[in-house]
Amino acid sequence: GAGVSQSPSNKVTEKGKDVELRCDPISGHTALYWYRQSLGQGLEFLIYFQGNSAPDKSGLPSDRFSAERTGGSVSTLTIQRTQQEDSAVYLCASSLGRATYEQYFGPGTRLTVT
Amino acid sequence: GENVEQHPSTLSVQEGDSAVIKCTYSDSASNYFPWYKQELGKRPQLIIDIRSNVGEKKDQRIAVTLNKTAKHFSLHITETQPEDSAVYFCAASVTGANNLFFGTGTRLTVIP
Repeated sequence: GAGVSQSPSNKVTEKGKDVELRCDPISGHTALYWYRQSLGQGLEFLIYFQGNSAPDKSGLPSDRFSAERTGGSVSTLTIQRTQQEDSAVYLCASSLGRATYEQYFGPGTRLTVT
Repeated sequence: GENVEQHPSTLSVQEGDSAVIKCTYSDSASNYFPWYKQELGKRPQLIIDIRSNVGEKKDQRIAVTLNKTAKHFSLHITETQPEDSAVYFCAASVTGANNLFFGTGTRLTVIP
């Protein structure tokens, strides 16, 4: 079946602009995660959605970052007033449940802020 | 919160040799430890995981060991092949938690 998809695959934006990144999880997966991967670094947890519950936003680095998940499926990560330090690969993952279930990752969106 | 440390950051081995990657964790409540492999330009994929009710798990050429007392776990790859070259991430979590805590990754290079 179809895996997790993300769009766009690459995004170049000017400092100060807003960007939206999209994630389509695997159908039936109730859990959805956003991670940030900076060059040569590990996976930094950003936000977690589980069904209709309130999202866990504990990993968002600043109030410029926000995310939504509509209808329990597609998710959008929004970064407002982008800064150069926001440049990274943003990965989305989905799973059947919480952290102890296998996470299926998307291909990521490479964001470059100039 | 949980803190996962991973060593080494880079590892080069000759084809056919073994590779070992080690991780430590801080939260004694953690009971789930997966390993993800990320090939160059590709997405991370789960290769093996272990839960705290066992000390070792094997799947063909890969194995993971867990020492709960010392709070460390390791990935062992035997008879390495060039296609094993990738970045490997360890992670830790606890049942009911929302997220995984990842290590910083190990770049493994298998030299033909």
